Amino acid sequence: QVHLVQSGAEVKKPGSSVRVSCKASGGTYAINWVRQAPGQGLEWLGRIIPILQIENYAQIFQGRLTINADRSTSTAYMELNSLRSDDTAVYYCAREGLGATYFDSWGHGTQVSVSS
Amino acid sequence: QSVLTQPPSASGTPGQRVTISCSGSSSNIGSNIVNWYQHLPGTAPTLLIYTNNERPSGVPDRFSGSKSGTSASLAITGLQSEDEANYYCAAWDDSLDGWVFGGGTKVTVL
Repeated sequence: QVHLVQSGAEVKKPGSSVRVSCKASGGTYAINWVRQAPGQGLEWLGRIIPILQIENYAQIFQGRLTINADRSTSTAYMELNSLRSDDTAVYYCAREGLGATYFDSWGHGTQVSVSS
Repeated sequence: QSVLTQPPSASGTPGQRVTISCSGSSSNIGSNIVNWYQHLPGTAPTLLIYTNNERPSGVPDRFSGSKSGTSASLAITGLQSEDEANYYCAAWDDSLDGWVFGGGTKVTVL
């Protein structure tokens, strides 16, 4: 099973940016980013398919979210700009394997807190 | 407002059968497979059902999934206390060009 290891918790000011990393222990087809705000459900943010250099973003994050990947280190990154208090959430990365249209491995989650 | 619609809660006594519905549209469930995830508080979500009705290794056979048209459902037969969790359906949406989740269903074992 592929393990995903995420970077540590972040505390940010409104208007700033946050970058979260996700390192995979094995092969991946796509890395997705999903978040859960306090008391809310799971929300898909976007994904990257490194081998095809394709990115998909949820419409509400277009222009504020950038996902990229370093294939040499099997690490994906999510950068969210213009942070607001309602961006406070646990951010997860999740893997899609080749030929697998589902998330079969998840990172442990990264708490991002936005507060003045 | 989630693209896929689930009931916010479901409950049952140990041993009972519980079903969770997931309603979508032609651009998501109607044309793509459905996956289900189990999420326990303080942990990462885990894959419970994939490709509508397949169970990953290690998932008990009391969990089953089905899909018909633009709706899907998850059934838990022989409910156990450790099944208390939040359950989410998910599907790719061709119009939005992205994954969409249901709002989640909290299952309580009475």
